[in-house]
Parts: sequence; structure tokens; C-alpha cells
Amino acid sequence: DAGVTQSPTHLIKTRGQQVTLRCSPKSGHDTVSWYQQALGQGPQFIFQYYEEEERQRGNFPDRFSGHQFPNYSSELNVNALLLGDSALYLCASSLRPNYGYTFGSGTRLTVV
Amino acid sequence: EDQVTQSPEALRLQEGESSSLNCSYTVSGLRGLFWYRQDPGKGPEFLFTLYSAGEEKEKERLKATLTKKESFLHITAPKPEDSATYLCAVQAGSGGYQKVTFGIGTKLQVIP
Repeated sequence: DAGVTQSPTHLIKTRGQQVTLRCSPKSGHDTVSWYQQALGQGPQFIFQYYEEEERQRGNFPDRFSGHQFPNYSSELNVNALLLGDSALYLCASSLRPNYGYTFGSGTRLTVV
Repeated sequence: EDQVTQSPEALRLQEGESSSLNCSYTVSGLRGLFWYRQDPGKGPEFLFTLYSAGEEKEKERLKATLTKKESFLHITAPKPEDSATYLCAVQAGSGGYQKVTFGIGTKLQVIP
């Protein structure tokens, strides 16, 4: 039974570019949440998707957007990248929005 | 705003030296408190969920407890493989809007 799968594992982008990160949830899970984890910090909530809609959003600018597909997989898009966007981006899936999370291994994004 | 504070930020133990990690929280409408273990460059791995004051859960050398204002993760006779960052997270809110907030984590190093 596959867990949460994220791609790519590592990514280097130039300031001002756009990036798309992908997440496949654990089998049976229908909710996907995205977190940003800077080095030495705890994960910060970006947003949550359920039934193909953004249900909750943290304190992140509109440059951060997402999408959930009918098969429950999800994408995180970040436009106009800043150096401060460099972080580990974590995807977590759950059965329904208010259940416990299973995390993926993350995508390490470096903005230069 | 929900707040989660973990202490200490870093802890160095000799193998076999028991200790406790603390997670204090200020939230409105606690729905659950989670403990995760995170290894460098990896996503958080779920350890425990606690729902109400007085609840305790155990797994191998780890025991988590919960009061109305804080949670403790007790580590008994730790081994070097217990070295990791331990994250505490709280789920709070009401109805369909429940948010998960993480602490910064406690970085544990167990020395042989």
C-alpha cells in the first residue's frame, strides 16, 4: 500500500520563475494538505484541498495556489519565486479534512 | 491565534538516560494533539494522537501524555536510533474548519 508520493524530490529554480509540485495521496485518502517547512522550523500550513476545492488556507500570499484532481492527487504552484520560498514542501493526506495526516517525504525547493 | 511551543529546542542524552519533551499550547477548541518524528530531509512520521486531558499512549520507548495546557513525550532508556526531531501539532477549531498548527520541534540527539 503506497504512502504519500511527492515529486520531484529536489528542485532548483531561479528567482522570479514559477514551480509546480505534485502529490499523490495515500490509497483511500481524499484530502490533501500542503505545508512549507523552512530549515530548523516546524511545518507551516499553506492550504488544504478536499472534493477538488480549497477548504482552508494559511497565511500565504496568492502566489501560492493549488489544485486537486478527481483522483485526489494535488499540485502546488508557486509564482514569482522569491529566495525566501526555499524550503521543504510537504504534502499530507488524510481520510476527510479532520482526520490524522500521513506525510510524504517532501520536495526540497531551492531558489537561487 | 493558535500557538504551539516546544521545549527544549535541542536535547542531548546519553544512551539509556530517560527524559521528557514538552509541548505547551494555546488554542481555541482543541480537537487533537499529535506527535511526529522527523528524520533529516524526510517528512514527519506519525507517532501518537491524544484527544483529551489525562489520555496516555505508549509505543516502545515513547510515552505521550496530555493535560489541558500541555503534552509530554517521555523517552525511556533512549537508543541512538531515537535521534530525530520530534514535532508536536494541535488540531483545533470547530465544524468544518479545523486547522493543524505545528511547533518548531525538539531536536533529540542520543549519544552511544
